[in-house]
Amino acid sequence: EDKVVQSPLSLVVHEGDTVTLNCSYEVTNFRSLLWYKQEKKAPTFLFMLTSSGIEKKSGRLSSILDKKELFSILNITATQTGDSAIYLCAVAGYALNFGKGTSLLVTP
Amino acid sequence: DTGVSQNPRHKITKRGQNVTFRCDPISEHNRLYWYRQTLGQGPEFLTYFQNEAQLEKSRLLSDRFSAERPKGSFSTLEIQRTEQGDSAMYLCASSLLLGQGGSPLHFGNGTRLTVT
Repeated sequence: EDKVVQSPLSLVVHEGDTVTLNCSYEVTNFRSLLWYKQEKKAPTFLFMLTSSGIEKKSGRLSSILDKKELFSILNITATQTGDSAIYLCAVAGYALNFGKGTSLLVTP
Repeated sequence: DTGVSQNPRHKITKRGQNVTFRCDPISEHNRLYWYRQTLGQGPEFLTYFQNEAQLEKSRLLSDRFSAERPKGSFSTLEIQRTEQGDSAMYLCASSLLLGQGGSPLHFGNGTRLTVT
């Protein structure tokens, strides 16, 4: 059975801190790994990773995939209160399977 | 708004009643997905369509759940004889079929179902 495990499940940091969110997976027929941000409604797409070792970057967010060790990390630098959300990792095998998410709270 | 649209936004129903939700995907997307999300959990895969064909259905999905996408455009998800455990957010997503890695799913805002 495909598995996606995220850690930590929740995190509280101060504005300006850097955070690293983790995602490990076991999936049949791996195609890609995706990160989403979910605030109150629909998950919004952040990154899609298909190749090992290539960092994807968007502003203060970046992510990288290790297909040998079967994990990915999402980094957020200089956190802001608007970064408070649930960050979801999903792995595309035969279906897109999500982890439980990491709930991030950034305090002023 | 050219995003994924779901209706209704909220549905409250009594146990035992049938409910139907609708999803209108992004128009050029040929894949459509249904997920269910409960508090503290990530979205749980239910089923997906490529055009009008239902290609996969979760083994965990009860026979009370059925989905259709008759013309390869909008989709409906019906739950028969609802149970309190069906209370959840039902999310629809769509994507293009592109390459080996696929393409990102774009989610609608969901239909929140409460079964009393």
